[in-house]
Amino acid sequence: DTEVTQTPKHLVMGMTNKKSLKCEQHMGHRAMYWYKQKAKKPPELMFVYSYEKLSINESVPSRFSPECPNSSLLNLHLHALQPEDSALYLCASSQNPLGSYNSPLHFGNGTRLTVT
Amino acid sequence: QKEVEQNSGPLSVPEGAIASLNCTYSDRGSQSFFWYRQYSGKSPELIMSIYSNGDKEDGRFTAQLNKASQYVSLLIRDSQPSDSATYLCAVNFPGSARQLTFGSGTQLTVLP
Repeated sequence: DTEVTQTPKHLVMGMTNKKSLKCEQHMGHRAMYWYKQKAKKPPELMFVYSYEKLSINESVPSRFSPECPNSSLLNLHLHALQPEDSALYLCASSQNPLGSYNSPLHFGNGTRLTVT
Repeated sequence: QKEVEQNSGPLSVPEGAIASLNCTYSDRGSQSFFWYRQYSGKSPELIMSIYSNGDKEDGRFTAQLNKASQYVSLLIRDSQPSDSATYLCAVNFPGSARQLTFGSGTQLTVLP
């Protein structure tokens, strides 16, 4: 079992839908992340939230919108997605931001997203 | 360009053998190195972290780090079919929070 909890586990949505992915960590970590992973590829960083500051990978389209209600929650709002956005979406946390020494990522179980 | 290189495999070893997974990285300033195991359809699971030159052992797993040669390896002793997975090498390059770079992963199959 992981201490980073993601819901839902699976999501199927149409291109006109609005949905949200939720992530909660119970380890008191100070940084949280969203990654996207396509089949047989490594995870790609989308967003980082640490010390109440959001950092964005500039290549992520605006149809993905992160929200951090508090230090233990990180949501990902989805709107007008495309079929190529179908992937495994991974939430992760770390004790300190990744630029810090000795701060591995701990991943949640992921949300398998299919866009039809 | 920050890069982490792994042999994509697939790597096949017989049950009970030693599996050796290798990873090279481009930035001499890197200080943190991680190995993740990922079963098909599942999320990555941290299995080893190493920060200093030399070997670090944890059960059947040994991570080896050589900063002068810029490589990190993972040895799995007494390989079991349950070790069959993709192993991701990740390197924390100095600087901003986005600089954890993953290799492309090595697919390992342990044959019974």
